[in-house]
Parts: sequence; C-alpha cells; structure tokens
Amino acid sequence: DQQVKQNSPSLSVQEGRISILNCDYTNSMFDYFLWYKKYPAEGPTFLISISSIKDKNEDGRFTVFLNKSAKHLSLHIVPSQPGDSAVYFCACEGGSEKLVFGKGTKLTVNP
Amino acid sequence: DTAVSQTPKYLVTQMGNDKSIKCEQNLGHDTMYWYKQDSKKFLKIMFSYNNKELIINETVPNRFSPKSPDKAHLNLHINSLELGDSAVYFCASSQASVGIADTQYFGPGTRLTVL
Repeated sequence: DQQVKQNSPSLSVQEGRISILNCDYTNSMFDYFLWYKKYPAEGPTFLISISSIKDKNEDGRFTVFLNKSAKHLSLHIVPSQPGDSAVYFCACEGGSEKLVFGKGTKLTVNP
Repeated sequence: DTAVSQTPKYLVTQMGNDKSIKCEQNLGHDTMYWYKQDSKKFLKIMFSYNNKELIINETVPNRFSPKSPDKAHLNLHINSLELGDSAVYFCASSQASVGIADTQYFGPGTRLTVL
C-alpha cells in the first residue's frame, strides 16, 4: 500500500500562472516532507522541505504548504516558467521510515 | 563539481551476469543510500550506510550486496542478474543518519537493462 500518493500523474499550466502540485500521505509518524524535481536522465534534485512544526515554507517562487490534520501537502510555484517543466516528487520521512517517495507528477509549463 | 556521481550511467547486460555500480560523494556526508526506481516509477530505498556501516537493509534479494570502502563511496554489486532487476538505480547521500530528518542529494542514476 502506498504511504505517499501523488494522484495527478501530470499537470499542464501556462507560463506565468500558478502551478499547484498535491501530495497525500497516510503515515502519521512522518514529520519531515520534501519536494524533489527531476529532469529526464538526471537524478532527483532537492527543491524545498518543511518540518511538521510548520505549515508553510517559502523559497522564492516555491512555497510548500502542510496540512497535518489532513495529511496533505502541496507545492505552489508562482509564477510558473517553462524551465519548471519536470517531474516533481513528494517525499516524506519520520518514525522508522527514511524517505518514502510518491510516484511523481509531470509538470508541463507552456510558453 | 558533481556532488554525487555514479558510474556507469547506462549498463546493458545478459541475465545471469554479475555487475557493479559505483557511487561517490564529495559532500563530506556521513550517510549514503541506494534507491531503485522501477517501471512503475516508484523510488524505493534499498540500503543505507552510515560511516561505512549498514543501517537500512530493506527487503532486497541477497544477490544485491552493497559495499562501502569508505564513507565517500557506496558501491552496489549485483550477482546473477535477472530480468526484473532492470530499473534505474540512484545513489544518494545526506549529512545525518536515520532518525534525523535531513535532505538527501541524489546522483544522476544508472539505467540497468537486463536482457
């Protein structure tokens, strides 16, 4: 059973608009949450993280929101740029689990 | 400078062969990992080493044997390769060990194809 779910396999947005990527998890012991970005034929690159004591973390155009009661996190990218086109992985860790990844969401930002 | 490097990037081999994938990190991290990304695109942890000692060993066939000659290197040796071993294998490293939340940095991946 998947502990970390990214239910949208793909997302397409216009340049300049907001991209919202969602992630749900089931393990209540998770206390640290990360987003990774992956280009084809490259390894995942760390993007932004948030610990369970916060509900928001912002870094430039990227903001991660955490709703612990709903076991949900989201990544907002605004404004979206064509170079943001990639696969975005949500990852969670905590308890006895080191990083557990979602399946990824492929974001396409159209010029 | 590449922080986490893996060689080779592509590996095509026959069933039954033995092969190795090498990983090196120059970040001074204490912990290194191997992940497998299967055909369903899941990234799953296989092993974790902290200062050359095995910390995590998920349910992985014992044909897979990690070796850490020093804390900057974690190599993955696979014996008697099977078709189902075809996947992309990622190496990663982090400063902290298991139980301490931190960020992992990934290598570029090695695409293994078993024919």
